[in-house]
Amino acid sequence: EADIYQTPRYLVIGTGKKITLECSQTMGHDKMYWYQQDPGMELHLIHYSYGVNSTEKGDLSSESTVSRIRTEHFPLTLESARPSHTSQYLCASSDRQTYNSPLHFGNGTRLTVT
Amino acid sequence: AQKVTQAQTEISVVEKEDVTLDCVYETRDTTYYLFWYKQPPSGELVFLIRRNSFDEQNEISGRYSWNFQKSTSSFNFTITASQVVDSAVYFCALSEAGTGGFKTIFGAGTRLFVKA
Repeated sequence: EADIYQTPRYLVIGTGKKITLECSQTMGHDKMYWYQQDPGMELHLIHYSYGVNSTEKGDLSSESTVSRIRTEHFPLTLESARPSHTSQYLCASSDRQTYNSPLHFGNGTRLTVT
Repeated sequence: AQKVTQAQTEISVVEKEDVTLDCVYETRDTTYYLFWYKQPPSGELVFLIRRNSFDEQNEISGRYSWNFQKSTSSFNFTITASQVVDSAVYFCALSEAGTGGFKTIFGAGTRLFVKA
């Protein structure tokens, strides 16, 4: 059973629309992440959060934004979707044991912008 | 700078064959963790193993085994007697202590096809 949930699972949307990808976890993890996975399979970190009210940009530049108002919730927003945003977006979380904690992933949102 | 290289993009084997997935990493940190994840067709990455930089002992879990060699900066993954259910994309990953563990870097992944 999943402890980290992403919705929607699939989304097809037109250019210029605003979208929010939802991510929630029930494990009480402080740290949460968003990864973008391109068709070549590589995962790139685009955002992460240490905890409530903390967000940081990752290694891959992204036009998306995130918020962390509650521990369990880490939504990602695109103000104006473009075809270049077409990708799979994976949300993950880990507990506070710094670098030795494995990531727990959701099953992803596959976004297509037409 | 940290980097993870999985040189094998795709591997195809017949069921019951053994297969080894290669992983080579680069890091300047002396303290780091290495991971393997499996991504089946359903899309969710599943954690398989982690290994810290001070523990070079190899590990076996059922049909899975991992060979960690600091001398060659490698952390290879072997599946013995492969099964169709092993078909997935496998990712090797690195997390450095210097980043506070907040940045896990993934390799490009190796797609494994196991044919019946």
